[in-house]
Amino acid sequence: GAVVSQHPSRVICKSGTSVKIECRSLDFQATTMFWYRQFPKKSLMLMATSNEGSKATYEQGVEKDKFLINHASLTLSTLTVTSAHPEDSSFYICSARGQGLGEQYFGPGTRLTVT
Amino acid sequence: QKEVEQNSGPLSVPEGAIASLNCTYSDRGSQSFFWYRQYSGKSPELIMSIYSNGDKEDGRFTAQLNKASQYVSLLIRDSQPSDSATYLCAVNRDISSGSARQLTFGSGTQLTVLP
Repeated sequence: GAVVSQHPSRVICKSGTSVKIECRSLDFQATTMFWYRQFPKKSLMLMATSNEGSKATYEQGVEKDKFLINHASLTLSTLTVTSAHPEDSSFYICSARGQGLGEQYFGPGTRLTVT
Repeated sequence: QKEVEQNSGPLSVPEGAIASLNCTYSDRGSQSFFWYRQYSGKSPELIMSIYSNGDKEDGRFTAQLNKASQYVSLLIRDSQPSDSATYLCAVNRDISSGSARQLTFGSGTQLTVLP
């Protein structure tokens, strides 16, 4: 299957700082990337969908000014959590899908802890 | 009614038995169907995709799709303790709905295979 990487895998930051998470498709061109968050023992929650070169589409209730998404190339999307607060602590997971591919492949996730 | 419904479990089966995981969906226009496995603390991993009615086998896994009944299932033969995980059913909506072909996930079924 296709490989998606995420970096960092784990990050601890202080309240008020910003954190950038990178998502890369390693062996295919990802025309669409998705960002999810997941709280312990809860379902995946889609935050936003991004297509290369265009603005991300955010799900209802997700603040686009707080969660900045950039999909600058066919292999890289970034999620920046701005002015992070403890309630932003979560498991953030990206996924990617290539053109013509029905399947969606997930990165390994980034565990964010805001102190 | 949820768009994609799964029995949350937990489902326990003895080692070597067949585990049967079920999923129903509400959108008749759904075109593609996926099963993901998610170990605790990890991101989802794609294990099966199915697009047409009938059965699709891959090793110990068999996916079954019945579009008329809006039902998709996953059978795991010769279950192993390493199969213990949460299994997520995901459905891709009809692209004509303007949904940008997002996956809609069920809440997952927790499977435990007892040694």
